[in-house]
Amino acid sequence: DAKTTQPPSMDCAEGRAANLPCNHSTISGNEYVYWYRQIHSQGPQYIIHGLKNNETNEMASLIITEDRKSSTLILPHATLRDTAVYYCIVRIYSNTGNQFYFGTGTSLTVIP
Amino acid sequence: EAQVTQNPRYLITVTGKKLTVTCSQNMNHEYMSWYRQDPGLGLRQIYYSMNVEVTDKGDVPEGYKVSRKEKRNFPLILESPSPNQTSLYFCASILAGGTYNEQFFGPGTRLTVL
Repeated sequence: DAKTTQPPSMDCAEGRAANLPCNHSTISGNEYVYWYRQIHSQGPQYIIHGLKNNETNEMASLIITEDRKSSTLILPHATLRDTAVYYCIVRIYSNTGNQFYFGTGTSLTVIP
Repeated sequence: EAQVTQNPRYLITVTGKKLTVTCSQNMNHEYMSWYRQDPGLGLRQIYYSMNVEVTDKGDVPEGYKVSRKEKRNFPLILESPSPNQTSLYFCASILAGGTYNEQFFGPGTRLTVL
């Protein structure tokens, strides 16, 4: 079963906010949500992560719903360089360690 | 420079010929992991290691082996590669403890098994 669900593609106008949704309805209380992005076939790049509170850093904001079943990554002022595939990831802790489950990603195209 | 390196970057091989893809990190990270990426499936975790001599299966471990004899190295071994292991492979490392912040990825190894 997929741990996260994302729309396959989205467009955003340059300079506008890009809002990328993710559903993780089976998430448990101690499981973190991460966002990474991948440009072409390079190694994915970390953006942000959170547990239950909203988070903000220099790249983006992460909004997690109160029931934690979904989250939204916000790129406040999208630029052409933000065109990439964005992955929503859940980190699941077990007694043998931490596993990371990637979604299938959202291909974001920023349009001039 | 803090980095994760993988070798080789590209490899074409034939079915059944054992191969090893090396992964090394210079950040003294405890946690290391291997992923494969296939079109439409995102990244899937193959194996991970919490520390030296501690490894465990991820989501898709069949057909792969790993070892963690030193903290910096985490090789991926395909004892008898098959065409369905043709994929783009990524190694990653992360500083364990706390909330497991940023996972650093290598540049990828594109493997083709004929």
